[in-house]
Amino acid sequence: EVVMTQSPATLSVSPGERATLSCRASQNVNTNLAWYQQKPGQGPRLLIHSASTRVTGIPARFSGSGSGTEFTLTIISLQSEDFAVYYCQQYNTWPPITFGGGTKVE
Amino acid sequence: EVQLVESGGGLVQPGRALRLSCTASGFNFDDYAVSWFRQAPGKGLEWVGCIRSKAYRGSTDYAASVEGRFSISTDESKTVAYLQMESLKIEDTAVYYCTRDPIMWGNGGSWFDPWGQGTLVAVSS
Repeated sequence: EVVMTQSPATLSVSPGERATLSCRASQNVNTNLAWYQQKPGQGPRLLIHSASTRVTGIPARFSGSGSGTEFTLTIISLQSEDFAVYYCQQYNTWPPITFGGGTKVE
Repeated sequence: EVQLVESGGGLVQPGRALRLSCTASGFNFDDYAVSWFRQAPGKGLEWVGCIRSKAYRGSTDYAASVEGRFSISTDESKTVAYLQMESLKIEDTAVYYCTRDPIMWGNGGSWFDPWGQGTLVAVSS
């Protein structure tokens, strides 16, 4: 099973600042990685797939990078609606599909 | 618009069974794999299992934690997917989500979009 580790667990930022979230895989997942945003009481919302492809309708302030075992989600100029929990998910080696433990942006 | 809506959650005693439904609009499960995930209170996301499209003959896979107890199927219209849960344990308490592999004829191993709002299953005596 591919173990996904996200850091930090909590990230404190102010509106307008940049947020950098990290995700590490226990083995090579190539670019088979997705990022999701989840707000309280809601299902996850897909932001990025294939490590860096932003989904239609997702603002350009969200960007993803990385390959292999190290990945980053960057949110430039954080908006109030961006405060949420973010998860990375690998789909290179499955089953099972695996997620990181999440980063809460507060 | 592609949409998924889960239903069927509730309070159930340990050892009992429950069936969740996932109703799709805007597409059908013949063409797309559907997966179930769950999220225990205050915890992260866990993959439960999937049922593939007809391109993969509707084959299924399950997480080790539910293998032999849970099963996924679809109805004849291919617009409703079910998660049949048997021999429920307290640790199965979670919000259950259904979602799909957005790639037509995909094998279920992909990113997932869209997600439903989830349905809460509480296992307690």
